[in-house]
Parts: sequence; C-alpha cells; structure tokens
Amino acid sequence: RKEVEQDPGPFNVPEGATVAFNCTYSNSASQSFFWYRQDCRKEPKLLMSVYSSGNEDGRFTAQLNRASQYISLLIRDSKLSDSATYLCVVNMMRGSYIPTFGRGTSLIVHP
Amino acid sequence: GAVVSQHPSRVICKSGTSVKIECRSLDFQATTMFWYRQFPKQSLMLMATSNEGSKATYEQGVEKDKFLINHASLTLSTLTVTSAHPEDSSFYICSARMGHLNTEAFFGQGTRLTVV
Repeated sequence: RKEVEQDPGPFNVPEGATVAFNCTYSNSASQSFFWYRQDCRKEPKLLMSVYSSGNEDGRFTAQLNRASQYISLLIRDSKLSDSATYLCVVNMMRGSYIPTFGRGTSLIVHP
Repeated sequence: GAVVSQHPSRVICKSGTSVKIECRSLDFQATTMFWYRQFPKQSLMLMATSNEGSKATYEQGVEKDKFLINHASLTLSTLTVTSAHPEDSSFYICSARMGHLNTEAFFGQGTRLTVV
C-alpha cells in the first residue's frame, strides 16, 4: 500500500460546480496534513494546511478524518483558474517529519 | 509564505557532465531541506533529506555518489548530478522547512534538467 494515495482523476467539472477530492494515508501516527496545488511544469504551492477541526479558506474547505485516515478538499463554485493538480501531503515520521506526497488529483474546470 | 529560490530553472547538458542546482531560503533559516524528482505525470519522489551541517539521508534506490547534496549553511543546499545520463532528465525540486518541526515546507521553482 502506498503511503499517501489519491485518485489521479482527471475530474472534469463545469464552472460553478462543487468538487471534492479525498486522500488516504497509511501511517496513523502522522500529525500534519496539507493540500498543495501544482500547475503544469511548475513547483507545488501550499494551498492550505488541514487541521483536526477542519478549516475553510474562501471557496476551499479541508477536513481530516483520523479514524479512517483520510483528508479531503472541497472546492465550491469552481473557477477556470482552479484547473490544476492538487497534491495531498502528509508529514510522516521517519526519524524526522518527511513531507510525503500523493500522486496528485487532476482537476479540469471547463466553461 | 516563505520564499525559496532555486537556480537554474532550466539546464541542458551533455551526457557525462555534472550539473549543480542551488536551493536558497531567502527569508528564513532552513534547518531541513528536501530534494525531490518528478517525472511527467508522476508524483514528487523524495530523493534525500538534507540537514544543515550533516550528511544527507538518501532514500532507497537513490545513489548518493551520483546525486551529491551539500547543505553547508542554513540558507543554501546544493544538489549536484554527476556524470549525467539521459535517464537523469527530470524536474528536480527542492523544498525547505524551518527547523525539524512538523510544519509545511516551501518549494523552489524547480529545475528542468535535460541531458542530451
């Protein structure tokens, strides 16, 4: 089993739609979780951290379910500019905390 | 967020030559830096973890003599790809984190290496 797993998609949605991505992780001792966004041929950029109580930033909502070992990202009112790959990152303890990436979920928002 | 600068952004080199990639944290001290490699349509694969002043810890399958990592200061880490081959062509990305804390990492812009 991979340490961090994501559905690669692509998720193809119209503008204005709500879309949700899930990510599962294998190490129950993991403490920190993040969503990054990566545009084609660019570096990943931090979208948001994921807190135990869940958190929201504008149209984006992140949730953590420790019991089931998954995190989710919900995007409301999708914009064309949301088209990108969304990377789930889990800090896994291996001597020190190592940011471990899922393979990413591709989102395509069309007019 | 914090700024990490990676240079060069793009490099083309001949087989057998060496290429050095620099990663700098511009506005914070990075005790830990990570080097990743990403092939097209694949995830970022961790190559090594670099702590300032100590030897890098390489992931399984990554040749430490081929990918030389130096983290001599709290703001600079370098990755040297030695005796490059076409199969080393990839997108190399560094990231930096403040301390050993369980916090987010910030990424450099990446270096697209093409070995011809």
